[in-house]
Amino acid sequence: QITLKESGPTLVKPSQTLTLTCTFSGFSLSTSGVGVGWIRQPPGKALEWLALIYWDDDKRYSPSLKSRVTITKDTSKNQVVLTMTNMDPVDTATYYCAYYATGFDYWGQGTLVTVSS
Amino acid sequence: DIQMTQSPSSLSASVGDRVTITCRASQSISSYLNWYQQKPGKAPKVLIYAASSLQSGVPSRFSGSGSGTDFTLTISSLQPEDFATYFCQHSYSIPYTFGQGTKLDIK
Repeated sequence: QITLKESGPTLVKPSQTLTLTCTFSGFSLSTSGVGVGWIRQPPGKALEWLALIYWDDDKRYSPSLKSRVTITKDTSKNQVVLTMTNMDPVDTATYYCAYYATGFDYWGQGTLVTVSS
Repeated sequence: DIQMTQSPSSLSASVGDRVTITCRASQSISSYLNWYQQKPGKAPKVLIYAASSLQSGVPSRFSGSGSGTDFTLTISSLQPEDFATYFCQHSYSIPYTFGQGTKLDIK
């Protein structure tokens, strides 16, 4: 059974750096073809893909956020970490991590991050 | 970036109705198209991958079709648990953009 869970701060101040951790089970991120991605959703709005890391450490980023976002993995801990710099109130959203194979096949429950002073 | 445009943005229907949602890509994406269902306060759930393949465990009343730029999600006979928001998403090239969503509610 594949499960994922996001963890990190629920409130960050403008200009701060956000660090979110995705802890997963039921698969290995060293398995060929597998990836873990991050997607966010501002309240009442659509989904926005942020980043994706593959089993071979290939990393892909949304061009609009590439300068602010970093994705890394720790295969031994079954974790993927997303960092986003220079947070702004418009970055307030629920952040999801998801297992990627044929699509985003399994999702975490999401974590709401509010950016406010 | 490839833009994904869904229509309609909202839809009212009744239990038992046949419903079709459309997703159009701004350029050809072959069959690299996925459909998701999201209920309030919950994470999205994949229904269809590669345009027409039904994800394991998803009821057969859901089906997908299309290739190139035009895609459809069809629910053959709406059930009460199907009232939700539906998103399309392409995985053809970076960035993997989502459509703006179609909210399906009870008439």
